Amino acid sequence: GAGVSQSPSNKVTEKGKDVELRCDPISGHTALYWYRQRLGQGLEFLIYFQGNSAPDKSGLPSDRFSAERTGESVSTLTIQRTQQEDSAVYLCASSLDGPYGYTFGSGTRLTVV
Amino acid sequence: GDSVTQMEGPVTLSEEAFLTINCTYTATGYPSLFWYVQYPGEGLQLLLKATKADDKGSNKGFEATYRKETTSFHLEKGSVQVSDSAVYFCALSSTGGFKTIFGAGTRLFVKA
Repeated sequence: GAGVSQSPSNKVTEKGKDVELRCDPISGHTALYWYRQRLGQGLEFLIYFQGNSAPDKSGLPSDRFSAERTGESVSTLTIQRTQQEDSAVYLCASSLDGPYGYTFGSGTRLTVV
Repeated sequence: GDSVTQMEGPVTLSEEAFLTINCTYTATGYPSLFWYVQYPGEGLQLLLKATKADDKGSNKGFEATYRKETTSFHLEKGSVQVSDSAVYFCALSSTGGFKTIFGAGTRLFVKA
């Protein structure tokens, strides 16, 4: 597509429920990144995909968080047993040439009540 | 570890004022430096970048110079417009690294 698409744009969920966030990167972009942005804070790196593999998962905050990418395109970030501290905007970015210029999606605003 | 520190906002300016948003970094080696901008309701966009010392990145009237001696990459614009109102993020990517580290962002309000 023309840009990075994320869905849903907003998600309100009850504490303890699982949520799935989706990212459609720009076609042909082999690198895909997930970041989290808490209110008033900077972007926190979560995970990076090169193709379908994730060389670095060290940014995932706990084992409740997981991510996968299929077909070098769509990626899903899953948060199990959500907690209130998971409330944030989750941003996805893709890149053709590594870190030298990301294209970000508009993000998914997650609110855990 | 690598980090980016940028001035806290919000920054409020009148139209046609001069803008400086300070950014300093800590990194080993020779990182690449970036400014991203997030307009209201939109995703982050790459504004400009510099990949080596003394390089000047520029775009849309904004510019920033990679200063290794002061580990800084301050963003400047000579005359801001209302349409420049946004959140600006300074960022770095370390040599050989695959991820970008972002500062906390600085919100800019420009009044007509």
